[in-house]
Amino acid sequence: DGGITQSPKYLFRKEGQNVTLSCEQNLNHDAMYWYRQDPGQGLRLIYYSQIVNDFQKGDIAEGYSVSREKKESFPLTVTSAQKNPTAFYLCASSPSGLAFTGELFFGEGSRLTVL
Amino acid sequence: SQQGEEDPQALSIQEGENATMNCSYKTSINNLQWYRQNSGRGLVHLILIRSNEREKHSGRLRVTLDTSKKSSSLLITASRAADTASYFCATRHTGANSKLTFGKGITLSVRP
Repeated sequence: DGGITQSPKYLFRKEGQNVTLSCEQNLNHDAMYWYRQDPGQGLRLIYYSQIVNDFQKGDIAEGYSVSREKKESFPLTVTSAQKNPTAFYLCASSPSGLAFTGELFFGEGSRLTVL
Repeated sequence: SQQGEEDPQALSIQEGENATMNCSYKTSINNLQWYRQNSGRGLVHLILIRSNEREKHSGRLRVTLDTSKKSSSLLITASRAADTASYFCATRHTGANSKLTFGKGITLSVRP
């Protein structure tokens, strides 16, 4: 089935450690996105990529890094520089980049807890 | 902020009743979208309405858009317990390369 797969579903991290969240899609979409969701909050855009080997910062990119070496994959690294990393992270994709005005397709999310 | 604002923040109804959720925004839009999120899961797209449309239907969903008031409503008719979820309004504003901006969401509880 076509879709977006995020892993792991749950992740625990000690302070000072970097962690990488995986996002893979088989929808043949050009664009991919990472959002952060905090309790009772909307989604905030961390990074997005409109094409392979290119990505742009979103609204809250500090403390995060991404790569887009393959069309199917858009991993997010939460670095130790992120001051409050405990959150629910959502990956999404769309057929093309910001010129596309339709809907986003979301993965099931990864919940990161910093101990 | 371009973020849409949903109203109410939480809604509790009995199964079979209709649920109405509202979204307001501040700047001109290309389209407005509604998404659903079950607890601990990802978002699922429900319906999209363009700025030149006033009403749209999809199954038990009806969405309206009033661009003069910068507001939209999502109506779920004959609600079911399985409709219990959070619902988000997302706006795609006018202008080149406009990102999709999400509101904080409405928590809907449908009592059996």
